[in-house]
This record gives sequence, C-alpha cells and structure tokens, in this order.
Amino acid sequence: QVQLVQSGAEVKRPWDSVTVSCTASGYTFTSYFVHWVRQAPGQGLEWMGTINPNGGKTTYAQRFQDRVTMTRDTSTSTVYMELSSLRSDDTAVFYCARLRGSGYYGDAFDLWGQGTVVTVSS
Amino acid sequence: QSVLTQPPSASGTPGQSVTISCSGRSSNIGRHTVNWYQQLPGTAPKFLIYSNDQRSSGVPDRFSASKSGTSASLAISGLQSEDEAAYYCAAWDDNLNGVVFGGGTKLTVL
Repeated sequence: QVQLVQSGAEVKRPWDSVTVSCTASGYTFTSYFVHWVRQAPGQGLEWMGTINPNGGKTTYAQRFQDRVTMTRDTSTSTVYMELSSLRSDDTAVFYCARLRGSGYYGDAFDLWGQGTVVTVSS
Repeated sequence: QSVLTQPPSASGTPGQSVTISCSGRSSNIGRHTVNWYQQLPGTAPKFLIYSNDQRSSGVPDRFSASKSGTSASLAISGLQSEDEAAYYCAAWDDNLNGVVFGGGTKLTVL
C-alpha cells in the first residue's frame, strides 16, 4: 500500500551525527517532494526542509541550513536526512512526509512516516 | 515561538461545536493556502484539510475550515471523544522560504 516507512530509533552522543531513512512504497517515488518535520518532546511541529526525489534538489530551513543534509536513492525509493553536530535539544521525533502532487510547494503533506525517535544524551 | 499563532488549548463536550483559530501574516496565510493536521496522542500527524477548506478523503464533514485575510480557522461540530487530539495549521512562508506551523491546539473532549 501507499506508505512511508522510517528507520528505527537512535541514541546519539552530543556532537554525533544521525541519519534517518524514509522508504516510500505504493507510488511513483520521483513524482512527489518529501519533507522532514521535527517534533521535540511535548512541543509542536517544526519544518526542517525538503528534497525533490526527481533530481535531488533540496531546500532547507534557515535554522538547520548548516547541519542538515537530505539525499535520496531512487533505486530503493529512499530519502535520507542527516543531522550533524547533535545537541541535547535535538532530541525529538523526526517525521518524513509526502507533499501532495499538485505541484504547489505550499500544498499539504498527505502521507506521513511513522516517526523516528532520536535521543541525544551524554 | 511559532510563526502561526494558535490557542494552546480548546475544549467542548460531546455533541458541541468548537473552533480553533490560526493567525499569521501577509507573507504566509495572506498569500498562501492553509493546511490542517490532526495528531492523536503518540501518533504521527494526519492530513485533515488542504487548500484552506478542502477535506482530505475520509475526513467527516463535521470538520470544516476557512480562511480570511491573514487568519484561518478549523471548526469541528458534533464533537466526539475520538476528536481529542492536537490540531496544527500550516502554510508556506515567503520570507522564510519554507513551511511554518502553528504551535498546535490541544482539544479536550470533556
């Protein structure tokens, strides 16, 4: 069925990097942008950036610009989000989400991954 | 501090109606469509409303939304216990060149 499946929970030390994967199935991978959204414990949703699987072009939120890298592998229909120089306040659930296929960049996220818990602790 | 402003909480009894507001600026809601998401406790957000007032497939017509100027709202009528969740508005922001979310409104069904 149409779904996004994310990699499992991670525990990292401060200054480490983490890579979260998001594998798409049930639809044409290259036809839909994938976005990443973060949610700290007890907090709201925060947009991190997006990647166009068709070509790999990325746009990152300003606050993550220096630390985030999004890539994709079309052979496995997988998008990756790497966050570097981790701090304790990066502890959060990270979601990947598919943008509706209207072509409008402000459209809605119509499909979400299950979330990946990343814990940063010394 | 979220770019879009939502009340942190709302409540109602079963059968009642409730409205959740979302306030923004010309750079986001004023120029772009508003989308709404529902997040049940411990789960990923769920796609609820797109393009200001269009319900996602399978969303009951008890849920409706609208936009006027730089504000938007989500209305839920005939409240049910399963509506107890956090609700988030979102829109593209031209100044930030990205998606901005409201801080979320936690709806309690008393």
